[in-house]
Amino acid sequence: GAGVSQSPSNKVTEKGKDVELRCDPISGHTALYWYRQRLGQGLEFLIYFQGNSAPDKSGLPSDRFSAERTGESVSTLTIQRTQQEDSAVYLCASSRHMGTANSYEQYFGPGTRLTVT
Amino acid sequence: GDSVTQMEGPVTLSEEAFLTINCTYTATGYPSLFWYVQYPGEGLQLLLKATKADDKGSNKGFEATYRKETTSFHLEKGSVQVSDSAVYFCALSDPPDMRFGAGTRLTVKP
Repeated sequence: GAGVSQSPSNKVTEKGKDVELRCDPISGHTALYWYRQRLGQGLEFLIYFQGNSAPDKSGLPSDRFSAERTGESVSTLTIQRTQQEDSAVYLCASSRHMGTANSYEQYFGPGTRLTVT
Repeated sequence: GDSVTQMEGPVTLSEEAFLTINCTYTATGYPSLFWYVQYPGEGLQLLLKATKADDKGSNKGFEATYRKETTSFHLEKGSVQVSDSAVYFCALSDPPDMRFGAGTRLTVKP
């Protein structure tokens, strides 16, 4: 079956512009995550969606970052007034469920490489 | 808070060499532990996992044992191949998010 897909794969934008990144999770996966991976660094948790519950936004680095998810499908991550420090690979992952059984595997998309010039 | 500390890279080995990538964690509860691998140009893939103390995860010749007494989950492989060249991430499940290590880049030379 299809995996997690993300678009665009690469995005180059000028400082100050807004960008929108898209994630299509695996069908039936109720949980969706966004991470940021700066060059040579580990993954930084940004935001988490679980079903129709309010998202956990605790990882968003500033109010320029926001994300939405329609039901249990597509999610978009929006970065307003981009800065050079926003340059990174943005990864999306989905999993079947995040309940008390915390070992559910996350399936990652290929990422969107964002470059802010 | 919970965290993962991973052996810094890069690591360069010859084919058929023994691999160890160290990973230690700090957690208040009883997390699940994971190793993810990121091949060049691809997304992260789960390599193996362990959900409780003394569990051993294994896949593709890689192994890691959940050691509660040493809070470790070291990744090992007895004989690496060129195709194992990738970045390896240790992670723990801290619901709702995962805590990832910084990643260790492994290069295997023929």
